[in-house]
Amino acid sequence: QKEVEQDPGPLSVPEGAIVSLNCTYSNSAFQYFMWYRQYSRKGPELLMYTYSSGNKEDGRFTAQVDKSSKYISLFIRDSQPSDSATYLCAMSGGPLNSGGYQKVTFGTGTKLQVIP
Amino acid sequence: DAMVIQNPRYQVTQFGKPVTLSCSQTLNHNVMYWYQQKSSQAPKLLFHYYDKDFNNEADTPDNFQSRRPNTSFCFLDIRSPGLGDAAMYLCATSSVIPGLAGSRAAKNIQYFGAGTRLSVL
Repeated sequence: QKEVEQDPGPLSVPEGAIVSLNCTYSNSAFQYFMWYRQYSRKGPELLMYTYSSGNKEDGRFTAQVDKSSKYISLFIRDSQPSDSATYLCAMSGGPLNSGGYQKVTFGTGTKLQVIP
Repeated sequence: DAMVIQNPRYQVTQFGKPVTLSCSQTLNHNVMYWYQQKSSQAPKLLFHYYDKDFNNEADTPDNFQSRRPNTSFCFLDIRSPGLGDAAMYLCATSSVIPGLAGSRAAKNIQYFGAGTRLSVL
């Protein structure tokens, strides 16, 4: 079983829809949860991150973490064609490496297409 | 704007011909990473530098090497590229304050460059 599972999609929605992107994980030690947006042939761009459980909002984006269910979500309100990209979740936590910090584990990404 | 810059954006090389990819950062982050990403896959960590300390992943082939001559620059050398090495190579940086186990200070938020897409002919 992978530490982080993410549905690859593709997910197609009409412009203006609310999008829900999700990841599940198995490592209960994860504490930091990140969402990246990756446009085709570009590097991942950090959208937002949260620490532990709860919600965080940034404009049209809301990140949610439910540690009891080991489930995180990214919601996109009023989706736009420019939101079409692959969304990667990433997590860190658990035992520190020899340098005293934590590695990051990535999901495989969900491809989102917003249709005008 | 502070950023992570990778050059070149696209690199074509021949089978077995050494190639070097470069990464520079203006974020003044102490950790720099190299990832390999193939289509529809998660980025795969190859190695990273914490300051000048090199940390290799156990499954990274010897064919891949890295150099970090100073805080701002990091290079990825592929000594003898094979067809299987064709991929997107991502450089990332983070500012890490080492902490004790369970410390919130041990967070690791990474910022990526635009990537170099390597083709091997």
